[in-house]
Amino acid sequence: AQSVSQHNHHVILSEAASLELGCNYSYGGTVNLFWYVQYPGQHLQLLLKYFSGDPLVKGIKGFEAEFIKSKFSFNLRKPSVQWSDTAEYFCAVISNSGGYQKVTFGTGTKLQVIP
Amino acid sequence: GAVVSQHPSWVICKSGTSVKIECRSLDFQATTMFWYRQFPKQSLMLMATSNEGSKATYEQGVEKDKFLINHASLTLSTLTVTSAHPEDSSFYICSAREGTVGTYGYTFGSGTRLTVV
Repeated sequence: AQSVSQHNHHVILSEAASLELGCNYSYGGTVNLFWYVQYPGQHLQLLLKYFSGDPLVKGIKGFEAEFIKSKFSFNLRKPSVQWSDTAEYFCAVISNSGGYQKVTFGTGTKLQVIP
Repeated sequence: GAVVSQHPSWVICKSGTSVKIECRSLDFQATTMFWYRQFPKQSLMLMATSNEGSKATYEQGVEKDKFLINHASLTLSTLTVTSAHPEDSSFYICSAREGTVGTYGYTFGSGTRLTVV
């Protein structure tokens, strides 16, 4: 069965600190990978996505993620966080099997950035 | 960018009644929409995949007769919670898929908070 693990449930950082949020998935076939962000009181928004090609993906607001196939990982990074990055971050995996797409989300990581 | 409108944002209903939630893609056609349920402090759980003009595909453990999904047009999918009970109280979110194979994007609605009393 397909699954997604986000090991960090709650991360607290000071402004300007570097960020790395872990995302590991389990699925033997081809996957598409996404990171979504949910700011307080708002709905989910796409940060970045990976389909194919360069495994280092650049997203909005200075975020990037690297797909490491051998490690089944798609970690999210940002070199210097801001207070406005306080939000919940969800990793998602979409697999295709027999024309059917299955979407699985991780449990989310709450990021709190302290000014 | 793509926008998905979900309505209502919150609803309170009596136990035993039915509630309909709408999910509309405002500026694109969505042949596929997804319905999720989110419990407090838990991840989004996919309930079903809704395909325009055909029956929805439900995930294991989701009652088809309880959570009726209709995707009658390329811009509208509805989720009806029938004979709602307090345990159905949750946050329901839809998303619509846009783009083409290899470039799909998934845009989310703002969610519906359902409280069954």
